[in-house]
Amino acid sequence: DAGVIQSPRHEVTEMGQEVTLRCKPISGHDYLFWYRQTMMRGLELLIYFNNNVPIDDSGMPEDRFSAKMPNASFSTLKIQPSEPRDSAVYFCASSLRGVGVSTDTQYFGPGTRLTVL
Amino acid sequence: DAKTTQPNSMESNEEEPVHLPCNHSTISGTDYIHWYRQLPSQGPEYVIHGLTSNVNNRMASLAIAEDRKSSTLILHRATLRDAAVYYCIRHSTNAGKSTFGDGTTLTVKP
Repeated sequence: DAGVIQSPRHEVTEMGQEVTLRCKPISGHDYLFWYRQTMMRGLELLIYFNNNVPIDDSGMPEDRFSAKMPNASFSTLKIQPSEPRDSAVYFCASSLRGVGVSTDTQYFGPGTRLTVL
Repeated sequence: DAKTTQPNSMESNEEEPVHLPCNHSTISGTDYIHWYRQLPSQGPEYVIHGLTSNVNNRMASLAIAEDRKSSTLILHRATLRDAAVYYCIRHSTNAGKSTFGDGTTLTVKP
């Protein structure tokens, strides 16, 4: 398996533009997680899905952020409109059974480095 | 609070053992301890996990205190490629998510 795939790897955009980040989880994994990492706040969980259904979006910073998972092999994280403070590395991760199963493991993608000018 | 406490940074010499500590004093009886590490410019990767007994795998060993309020990740012979941020995380049964703290930045000197 190729692991978790994210695209693009780097994105530079201007304030006010729409940004869409993409993720393909590992085949067969039922859980998908979106994280954001910054120097100031570390690694933060934004939202996670179970079987394509959003379960907890309490980490989504504001209404400008939205995430979808139309099928088991694809998810998007959208920011509209983008702001400079959204600049960060965004990671997608997937797991087989979810971290509520205490022995489960998350597999992370390489991340998308977003810069909003 | 589901967070754990780790030192901000540690240094090691190459080829020497490294002991990375983690405090989880509020851990419940069914919480597992997981360790991940994040190499520069990469996403976090799983290292090891355990509940009560010490655990070994090809990457590291995990020593869990008898009262389970702390644990130690052991790298038996540090290499330059082990330089990373190491995260200690609690996985709670039936909790959908885990919380990453600030981790420990390990520097390995040649």
